Amino acid sequence: DTAVSQTPKYLVTQMGNDKSIKCEQNLGHDTMYWYKQDSKKFLKIMFSYNNKELIINETVPNRFSPKSPDKAHLNLHINSLELGDSAVYFCASSQAGEDTQYFGPGTRLTVL
Amino acid sequence: AQSVTQLGSHVSVSEGALVLLRCNYSSSVPPYLFWYVQYPNQGLQLLLKYTSAATLVKGINGFEAEFKKSETSFHLTKPSAHMSDAAEYFCAVCYTGGFKTIFGAGTRLFVKA
Repeated sequence: DTAVSQTPKYLVTQMGNDKSIKCEQNLGHDTMYWYKQDSKKFLKIMFSYNNKELIINETVPNRFSPKSPDKAHLNLHINSLELGDSAVYFCASSQAGEDTQYFGPGTRLTVL
Repeated sequence: AQSVTQLGSHVSVSEGALVLLRCNYSSSVPPYLFWYVQYPNQGLQLLLKYTSAATLVKGINGFEAEFKKSETSFHLTKPSAHMSDAAEYFCAVCYTGGFKTIFGAGTRLFVKA
């Protein structure tokens, strides 16, 4: 019973393509997040959603569009992929904004 | 503005030695403080968290951290390192009602046999 799951685990694609990453949590949490972790392990928040509503958008390019169809899912769509988008993307969830976050296993995106 | 500084991007200890990972925070309001651990090719998982109930917080795997308001620090310690402790450790800060957790840059812990 995986608490926070992400698909796919690996994503290799060409520059200019569009791709999506899916995230699901079965913890009944109200808040979900997307993070980007670069090659130096620096972890930066991209988006926070609470009850399906966007709360935080950390100056992420418009090419990144999150969508939350329900409280258990937060998907990330990326248009016109660039080399700099290569990173590991983590989905996480928490009961409230200041609570412990539960992370998914990550999606390693490689843009060629 | 909130921020987190982890001193030392890499720390190396011998098995059985004391582990000390340093974290200093900046927050204009009482913070929630966390330590997370990340093993290779995995997501982060919680080690422990401070929520103002007690200044000395005990976590999993024998780790503990002490909140020192006067020093704005939340250092992570473990009396005796084990090989399985080798991982990346992140200190993080958030505040009540906030939906943005700020993570430190991480400290990679190496444990030598």
